Amino acid sequence: AQSVTQPDIHITVSEGASLELRCNYSYGATPYLFWYVQSPGQGLQLLLKYFSGDTLVQGIKGFEAEFKRSQSSFNLRKPSVHWSDAAEYFCAVHTGTASKLTFGTGTRLQVTL
Amino acid sequence: ETGVTQTPRHLVMGMTNKKSLKCEQHLGHNAMYWYKQSAKKPLELMFVYSLEERVENNSVPSRFSPECPNSSHLFLHLHTLQPEDSALYLCASSYSPGTTQYNEQFFGPGTRLTVL
Repeated sequence: AQSVTQPDIHITVSEGASLELRCNYSYGATPYLFWYVQSPGQGLQLLLKYFSGDTLVQGIKGFEAEFKRSQSSFNLRKPSVHWSDAAEYFCAVHTGTASKLTFGTGTRLQVTL
Repeated sequence: ETGVTQTPRHLVMGMTNKKSLKCEQHLGHNAMYWYKQSAKKPLELMFVYSLEERVENNSVPSRFSPECPNSSHLFLHLHTLQPEDSALYLCASSYSPGTTQYNEQFFGPGTRLTVL
């Protein structure tokens, strides 16, 4: 069965600093990979996704992620964080044909001014 | 209304009450999902409906009863809940998994449920 690991529960960065959130997955074939963001009291919003093709994908709000098959990773990056990026970020994997979207436990991002 | 809407946004109920959560999607999708989000736990998939047929039920207790009367509406009927059922319940929709149209799941804002 597929699984997703987000090793960092909580990260604090200064506004304007760069950000990298880690995500590792376990799945035999190439999965569909997603990053979602959840602001307090809100549902999940899709930041970006990888299905196939170029391993560096661009998303909304200036985020990007890189799929590295050799490391089974799909890390999320942003070159300069804004205070409004403070939220919880979830990595998720989908196997394509099944209905199950498996989520990691999330990383809470705090941004200091 | 656009996207995925959920009502109510907040619900407090006693263990003997019966209540229902409602989800509506305005995206033309044909699959809908219920997830449970508890503190410090990954999102748990509860139910999946595709083309109005339940295709997945992840060992959810019978005190949770889903209903999908059409492809735009999804309900979660609740009865005799336990305090540990307190959580954020999220609804999502998509095109049917396994089809070429499937790309992502769109989530609603959730219903914050507290069971006393």
